[in-house]
Amino acid sequence: IAGITQAPTSQILAAGRRMTLRCTQDMRHNAMYWYRQDLGLGLRLIHYSNTAGTTGKGEVPDGYSVSRANTDDFPLTLASAVPSQTSVYFCASSDIPSSYNEQFFGPGTRLTVL
Amino acid sequence: AQRVTQPEKLLSVFKGAPVELKCNYSYSGSPELFWYVQYSRQRLQLLLRHISRESIKGFTADLNKGETSFHLKKPFAQEEDSAMYYCALRNRDDKIIFGKGTRLHILP
Repeated sequence: IAGITQAPTSQILAAGRRMTLRCTQDMRHNAMYWYRQDLGLGLRLIHYSNTAGTTGKGEVPDGYSVSRANTDDFPLTLASAVPSQTSVYFCASSDIPSSYNEQFFGPGTRLTVL
Repeated sequence: AQRVTQPEKLLSVFKGAPVELKCNYSYSGSPELFWYVQYSRQRLQLLLRHISRESIKGFTADLNKGETSFHLKKPFAQEEDSAMYYCALRNRDDKIIFGKGTRLHILP
């Protein structure tokens, strides 16, 4: 069992290019999330999905889009990357409703936009 | 407003000394609070949650509703405790709100 996987591990991207970060979980969790982690700002929620077929905006959604065609996959797309999107991106999942609501995190994708 | 505040960006503690990572929250209603940890080159993972009243790796955290705090404590720091620690709150929409994190550095 892999849990949550993310691809790529790291990427250097030219500004203006389109990029999709992949996230796959095999735990059959209902909910999935995308965060960005920046020094001094902690983890900020970009987009989320409570169940397949639905998505919602988090704290910092601008410049990003997501889709949730099935339970396992939750790709994050940067339509036209900008340098301010340089960050480490974490995908997470959780089984809701749940009295614990623990979120399980992927290993992260380090993205550099030049 | 729903907010989690970790006032310290960096905390350096000598090995064997007590550790306290501060966390304050702002939330109307009964909060559900967590501590997550990220060790070097590892993914973020849950350390403990207040409803379990558990001690994990020697760490404990008590919810103080009067002071709206959920400080993380350990009586004797170990070198392997060096990591990034995030306090987090679950809101009514089942979203996790994270603090900005505190980097704990254990000095030999």
